[in-house]
Amino acid sequence: LAKITQPISMDSYEGQEVNITCSHNNIATNDYITWYQQFPSQGPRFIIQGYKTKVTNEVASLFIPADRKSSTLSLPRVSLSDTAVYYCLVGDMITGFQKLVFGTGTRLLVSP
Amino acid sequence: DVKVTQSSRYLVKRTGEKVFLECVQDMDHENMFWYRQDPGLGLRLIYFSYDVKMKEKGDIPEGYSVSREKKERFSLILESASTNQTSMYLCASAEGAKTQYFGPGTRLLVL
Repeated sequence: LAKITQPISMDSYEGQEVNITCSHNNIATNDYITWYQQFPSQGPRFIIQGYKTKVTNEVASLFIPADRKSSTLSLPRVSLSDTAVYYCLVGDMITGFQKLVFGTGTRLLVSP
Repeated sequence: DVKVTQSSRYLVKRTGEKVFLECVQDMDHENMFWYRQDPGLGLRLIYFSYDVKMKEKGDIPEGYSVSREKKERFSLILESASTNQTSMYLCASAEGAKTQYFGPGTRLLVL
């Protein structure tokens, strides 16, 4: 199983760009990288998913280097409402649901 | 919008009781999952199901069982609850290999 490491917490201010890195040294060939956002008393919510290089959607970008041993979630111009816990998930979403591994989460605090 | 609902937000049970946690999704998804979430440990997969009556163990299946009699419903069963099963339980569903949609969670306290 992939071992996932994320920073425990990060602080930022409104309007800044935030980059959260996830380390997954023993990622397997078929593994995807997915990021989720979780607010208190709610289930995690999908943000973005990728396999390699760069993926961008309306809320975030995901950067994955060629060796795929890490990934970086980039949140442009954060607001107070982006204060949440962010989880990195690595796993084979095609054939191996039992091998899905979540990181322990990064608590992001955005201040005015 | 996908909706995943869980039968209870909060539950208090006694050691040794049989506990049922119910999850229902309304999007006809094939795959359903049960996780537990503990401080410092993130989310850990207990069981998942890829079809009616089909189930597979996740990372931490000990002390749990599951039931999927209908496609939209996935139940987690604690046969004899213990205090170390006090946790937040999250259900999720997914179509194929992509996004998992999570329910709001059930916070279970076992006394």
